[in-house]
Amino acid sequence: QSALTQPPSASGSPGQSVTISCTGTSSDVGGYNYVSWYQQHPGKAPKLMISEVTKRPSGVPDRFSGSKSGNTASLTVSGLQAEDEADYYCTSYAGSNNLIFGGGTKLTVL
Amino acid sequence: QLQLQESGPGLVKPSETLSLTCTVSGGSISSSNYYWGWIRQPPGKGLEWIGSIYYSGSTYYNPSLKSRVTISVDTSKNQFSLKLNSATAADTAVYYCARDWLNYDILTGYYKLPWAFDIWGQGTMVTVSS
Repeated sequence: QSALTQPPSASGSPGQSVTISCTGTSSDVGGYNYVSWYQQHPGKAPKLMISEVTKRPSGVPDRFSGSKSGNTASLTVSGLQAEDEADYYCTSYAGSNNLIFGGGTKLTVL
Repeated sequence: QLQLQESGPGLVKPSETLSLTCTVSGGSISSSNYYWGWIRQPPGKGLEWIGSIYYSGSTYYNPSLKSRVTISVDTSKNQFSLKLNSATAADTAVYYCARDWLNYDILTGYYKLPWAFDIWGQGTMVTVSS
């Protein structure tokens, strides 16, 4: 099973919105509503930001939102803040009790 | 508040077995509501799911690692463990343990994993080198 495809980098200025894509296939992203997004700051453990495509865990700001269209899922960060600068990873259930990750996107707040 | 803590050798020789333990505190690993997983991250690279286990011992493994991986649970110690056989330099990584949860699907009447990890340990670095 191949990894999901994410852009290596993304950027935006404070207050702006940025969208990170996560492209898979009909066997993973397109086939199930089990896409999640994680935020990881340097030297820290990942933090769950979005589960099941659109669900935001308690404590995650509503500036973070998830969506999916076909085989591509997206994470949108609105009202960018300096603390949003981090690596972001998507994951998707890929069937047969298997989970795959994207390669990660480094988000820079300009 | 639930916490997870990884422990184990930081250095493993090539061809030997990499062994790690995750200790769960602030809650019971025997809860029927959760699965427990291992995820790793090579230096400077992305994340990779290794596998997950239920308190009953039911396991799911990454197909690419399945032939070398064993995940087990010890409910008496509130721990679950990872063993990775025939370690190579490619297994050098930070290893994380984490919690997944079960959602009740009212349409099917079954519990389902969202395949998302909401609580993570801090991670432990394991280097495979002679």
